[in-house]
Amino acid sequence: QQQVKQSPQSLIVQKGGISIINCAYENTAFDYFPWYQQFPGKGPALLIAIRPDVSEKKEGRFTISFNKSAKQFSLHIMDSQPGDSATYFCAATRISYDKVIFGPGTSLSVIP
Amino acid sequence: GAVVSQHPSRVICKSGTSVKIECRSLDFQATTMFWYRQFPKQSLMLMATSNEGSKATYEQGVEKDKFLINHASLTLSTLTVTSAHPEDSSFYICSARGRGGEQYFGPGTRLTVT
Repeated sequence: QQQVKQSPQSLIVQKGGISIINCAYENTAFDYFPWYQQFPGKGPALLIAIRPDVSEKKEGRFTISFNKSAKQFSLHIMDSQPGDSATYFCAATRISYDKVIFGPGTSLSVIP
Repeated sequence: GAVVSQHPSRVICKSGTSVKIECRSLDFQATTMFWYRQFPKQSLMLMATSNEGSKATYEQGVEKDKFLINHASLTLSTLTVTSAHPEDSSFYICSARGRGGEQYFGPGTRLTVT
């Protein structure tokens, strides 16, 4: 019940295209869903996060869509750029109470 | 704001020696810090949760006598890998919980045990 599933495992997108990564969770007690971006040899960086009381959050080219009834959320990267090439982790937690549960990650490659 | 640093960034040590890794929250106080381990092309694996002034809580399967964690102040937690062996070679990452509950990650420490 603590697991967070993530797909696809890897993704290749043309420059300017839309990158979409999907995640699903089971624990309905989770109340905070962050996305992290990690470049090789670096620690993860918080990219964007959402709480279940909203269905969408947008920050620049990054948008999280959240479907509470389906227990799914996704990251959309608009106008994908080669600099977006990284590994993306979705995660879920009960903020301030619990450890963060990470998905297995998606390796994104944006090709020119 | 919300910067977390780690030191060293890379360390190479001989088998049987101990290595200490420091994790600092630079511009905020963190009552809770976390230590993760990450193998190549894998997700982060939580090793332990470190609360300031109390003993760390270790995840199942993590040897607490091998991975010593100390959280002596609100801005510093340390991980000591004792009697390191080649299989301990990994990327170790700490994170600190901010006031709003978000976790901010350090840049990681690459440990190589020869």
